[in-house]
Amino acid sequence: DGGITQSPKYLFRKEGQNVTLSCEQNLNHDAMYWYRQDPGQGLRLIYYSQIVNDFQKGDIAEGYSVSREKKESFPLTVTSAQKNPTAFYLCASRGGADTEAFFGQGTRLTVV
Amino acid sequence: AQKITQTQPGMFVQEKEAVTLDCTYDTSDQSYGLFWYKQPSSGEMIFLIYQGSYDEQNATEGRYSLNFQKARKSANLVISASQLGDSAMYFCAIALLGGYQKVTFGIGTKLQVIP
Repeated sequence: DGGITQSPKYLFRKEGQNVTLSCEQNLNHDAMYWYRQDPGQGLRLIYYSQIVNDFQKGDIAEGYSVSREKKESFPLTVTSAQKNPTAFYLCASRGGADTEAFFGQGTRLTVV
Repeated sequence: AQKITQTQPGMFVQEKEAVTLDCTYDTSDQSYGLFWYKQPSSGEMIFLIYQGSYDEQNATEGRYSLNFQKARKSANLVISASQLGDSAMYFCAIALLGGYQKVTFGIGTKLQVIP
């Protein structure tokens, strides 16, 4: 089955630790995205990538980093510089400019 | 930069009635696409409908239709014959069709269907 997989579903970390969220797709999509969702704020774009080895900052990139070494994978690292990292994180991919984004199931990160 | 505005934080609709969820957008580009997604309490994002800026007809997908008014920069979602399972968050989004394909979402509208 083709799709996009995020792992883990729930993640707990201590304050000050970096944490990496996984996102893998087998849809052969070029474009991949990371969003953060907080109550009442919708989906805010963190980073996106349209091709391997290239990515762009979104609207709230501070405190986050990404890599795109393979077409299938777009991991997101939440660094200790992110002031308020507790949130629901969604990864998505798209196959073309006029096509919809496919989303993973999300990772709920809690930093204590 | 593109922007989506959804001004209805919450909406109620009676089961079997129709409901319109508002979405206005802002972009200086002529070539763009508009999307609607549904997010149930489980958190998954479900794609509902797409409208391209050059499409002359309003998009329809089953009980969903998009009321596209280009001059007003609005792309309202109409759900006909509401069902209890339609209770969810609904998000409008925009993406340019050229250049970097950034997809920008609104803050969403929470729809509750009343039996």
